[in-house]
Amino acid sequence: DTGVSQDPRHKITKRGQNVTFRCDPISEHNRLYWYRQTLGQGPEFLTYFQNEAQLEKSRLLSDRFSAERPKGSFSTLEIQRTEQGDSAMYLCASSLVGQGTYNEQFFGPGTRLTVL
Amino acid sequence: RKEVEQDPGPFNVPEGATVAFNCTYSNSASQSFFWYRQDCRKEPKLLMSVYSSGNEDGRFTAQLNRASQYISLLIRDSKLSDSATYLCVVKRTSGAGSYQLTFGKGTKLSVIP
Repeated sequence: DTGVSQDPRHKITKRGQNVTFRCDPISEHNRLYWYRQTLGQGPEFLTYFQNEAQLEKSRLLSDRFSAERPKGSFSTLEIQRTEQGDSAMYLCASSLVGQGTYNEQFFGPGTRLTVL
Repeated sequence: RKEVEQDPGPFNVPEGATVAFNCTYSNSASQSFFWYRQDCRKEPKLLMSVYSSGNEDGRFTAQLNRASQYISLLIRDSKLSDSATYLCVVKRTSGAGSYQLTFGKGTKLSVIP
């Protein structure tokens, strides 16, 4: 168990609905990442935070996606007006970056989204 | 061209066999390299980093050839518990995109009794 938790683990929704996922990183980790993984593919980077600042976003993150990390601890990923193509595993990872540390990214168990 | 390419397999090998996976990467700015392991319906977990001089961790040996932009993973004396998908991962250490891991599609290994 890496210590990163995600909620919910599974989400089934109808097309057009909004969904929100939560990630709780390892407590002292200052960087938090979101990835998306579809069947037969490796994870693809979506966005990352250093503390509460969102510093990088992938082109995969369309306007329907928004991520927040309001207090530099947990993060939420919201998808508005879901589409069937959004069906995937959404993975959160965290790392500790600073002088003298090795910034391995530890992944959570993921939230599996199915859009009907 | 995909930034990280791997043979998806599957590789079906008997217990005790030696198996090798290869991976190529296209971005010469990639500076850090890793192999992750992902069990079915689980999250990826770091197996080992890959260093220029090559490195070994028990039955696992990783090699990097920067000139050819090629990474390999060798597993000796395969165990049933080695059955998983092995993801080749590259990371830039500076500039745009330097905080993200870029994954290959993964190579599926099944070790058969």
